Amino acid sequence: KAGVTQTPRYLIKTRGQQVTLSCSPISGHRSVSWYQQTPGQGLQFLFEYFSETQRNKGNFPGRFSGRQFSNSRSEMNVSTLELGDSALYLCASSRWTSGMTGELFFGEGSRLTVL
Amino acid sequence: AQSVAQPEDQVNVAEGNPLTVKCTYSVSGNPYLFWYVQYPNRGLQFLLKYITGDNLVKGSYGFEAEFNKSQTSFHLKKPSALVSDSALYFCAVRPNNNNDMRFGAGTRLTVKP
Repeated sequence: KAGVTQTPRYLIKTRGQQVTLSCSPISGHRSVSWYQQTPGQGLQFLFEYFSETQRNKGNFPGRFSGRQFSNSRSEMNVSTLELGDSALYLCASSRWTSGMTGELFFGEGSRLTVL
Repeated sequence: AQSVAQPEDQVNVAEGNPLTVKCTYSVSGNPYLFWYVQYPNRGLQFLLKYITGDNLVKGSYGFEAEFNKSQTSFHLKKPSALVSDSALYFCAVRPNNNNDMRFGAGTRLTVKP
């Protein structure tokens, strides 16, 4: 069974640009969560999608947005990039959003560098 | 508000010795608790979880964790550490009424030969 796939793995952008990251969950998983990982702030929850609906949202500015498609694939977008947005962005999938006992399965992340 | 704390940034142990990585949590109600491991430039891998039942949970790669409700702790343990266990370990908590999983700051485990 294929794992969670994130693309691109690495990317470099400049301040003010925007970026779109993609995540394909494990087959059959309908919940996709996004996290930002930085050395200073650790792992911070961005948002979670289930059946194309945003179910939870972390404490990030509106420049961070996401969506989920009918095939459960998800994208997140960051507009007007700032230097502080440089981070590893991790996507995780799980089978049910109401199955809160379930663990998350993580992709290998997209490492964004903002210059 | 739910939160999880990992009081040690770094844990060093010698190969073959037992290891403990500490985690305490604060959440209303009964929590669901998880441990994950992250190797360099990789995503997080699930190790084990506590949902209910036996306070001692066994997981992958010989790891186990003990849930202690009175101390609100969920420490990760392994009887005999391997050099290959060296990695970043995250404790996570999810309240039983919300799908928002929150992670601790992580503990870097170094096992020396």
